[in-house]
Formats: sequence, structure tokens, C-alpha cells
Amino acid sequence: DAGVTQSPTHLIKTRGQQVTLRCSPKSGHDTVSWYQQALGQGPQFIFQYYEEEERQRGNFPDRFSGHQFPNYSSELNVNALLLGDSALYLCASSSWPGTSGGDIQYFGAGTRLSVL
Amino acid sequence: RKEVEQDPGPFNVPEGATVAFNCTYSNSASQSFFWYRQDCRKEPKLLMSVYSSGNEDGRFTAQLNRASQYISLLIRDSKLSDSATYLCVVNRGDMRFGAGTRLTVKP
Repeated sequence: DAGVTQSPTHLIKTRGQQVTLRCSPKSGHDTVSWYQQALGQGPQFIFQYYEEEERQRGNFPDRFSGHQFPNYSSELNVNALLLGDSALYLCASSSWPGTSGGDIQYFGAGTRLSVL
Repeated sequence: RKEVEQDPGPFNVPEGATVAFNCTYSNSASQSFFWYRQDCRKEPKLLMSVYSSGNEDGRFTAQLNRASQYISLLIRDSKLSDSATYLCVVNRGDMRFGAGTRLTVKP
């Protein structure tokens, strides 16, 4: 049973560029959440997708956008990259909150983004 | 003030020690609570859910006090393999993480 998978594992971009990160949820999960984790900090919630729609959003600018596909996989897009976007980007999957066990999230290994 | 606040640490303890982590949260509408463990440069992994009645899993005991908006984690008989960062997590529809408390268990 595959867990949450993310790609790529590492990425180096320059300021102003755009990046797309990908996530496949754990088998049986239909909800995907994205987080940004800066060095020495806890993960910060970016947004959550369910049924191909953004359901909740944290305090992140519109440069951060996402998508969920019919197979429940998801993408995180960041436009006009800033140096401060350098971080570990984590994807977590779960069942839809409110369902049994739906409040427990399982994380992928993350994508480490460096913006130069 | 951060929504979820944890002991800043780091905690450096000898093997066999008992160590306690504290966490407070500010949003009284929070619905569920967890401790996650994160090893260096790895993803967070669920350690245990936290309930008002308290719950225990082997050497780990977690407690929730909703009235005080306080969560705790107790680790007994610390092992070298317990060295990690412990993240307090509050779910209020979306997951809010504390900054984490780093634990190092030394021989």
C-alpha cells in the first residue's frame, strides 16, 4: 500500500520563476492538504482540496494556487517565486474531515524548494 | 501571539529520563488534537491523538485540558531513538502546527 508520494524531491529555481509540485495521496484518501515548512518552524497550512475544489485556505498570497485531479492527486503551483518561498513543501492526505478518521493526516516526504 | 505555542526547547536528556512537553492553543473551537514526530529532514509522522480522557501508548502519555486549552506529552524511559522534534497539532477544520520542540536523548 503506497503512502503519500511527492515529486520532485528537490528543486532549485530563481526568483520570478514558476514551480509546480505534485502529490499522490495514500490509497483510499480523497483529501489533500499542502503545507510550507520553513527551517526551524512547524508546517504552515496553505490549502486543502477535496472533490477537485479548494475547500480551505491559509494565509498565503494568490501566487500560491493548486489543483486536484479526478484521481485525487494534486498539484501546488507557485508563481513569481521569492527568496522567502524557499522551504520544504509537504503534502498530506486524509479522508474528508468529518468522516471516521478524517482528521488524521499522513504526510509525504516533501519537496525541498530552493529559490536563488 | 501564535495559535499553537510549544516549549521552545531544546531538551537534552539522558537515556531513561522522563521528559514532558507542553503546548497551548488559542482557538477554543479546535476540534481534535495530535502529537506528531518529525525526524531531521523528514516528514512529520503521527505519534498519537490526544483525548480529554488522556491516552497512553507504551511509554508515551498524552493529555488534553480543554478548559485550559493545554496539551501535554510525557515520555517515560527515554530511548536514543526518541530523539526528534515533537510537533503539537490542533485541528480546527485545518491543521495548525506548533513550531516544535526538539528532543535529544543522550547515552
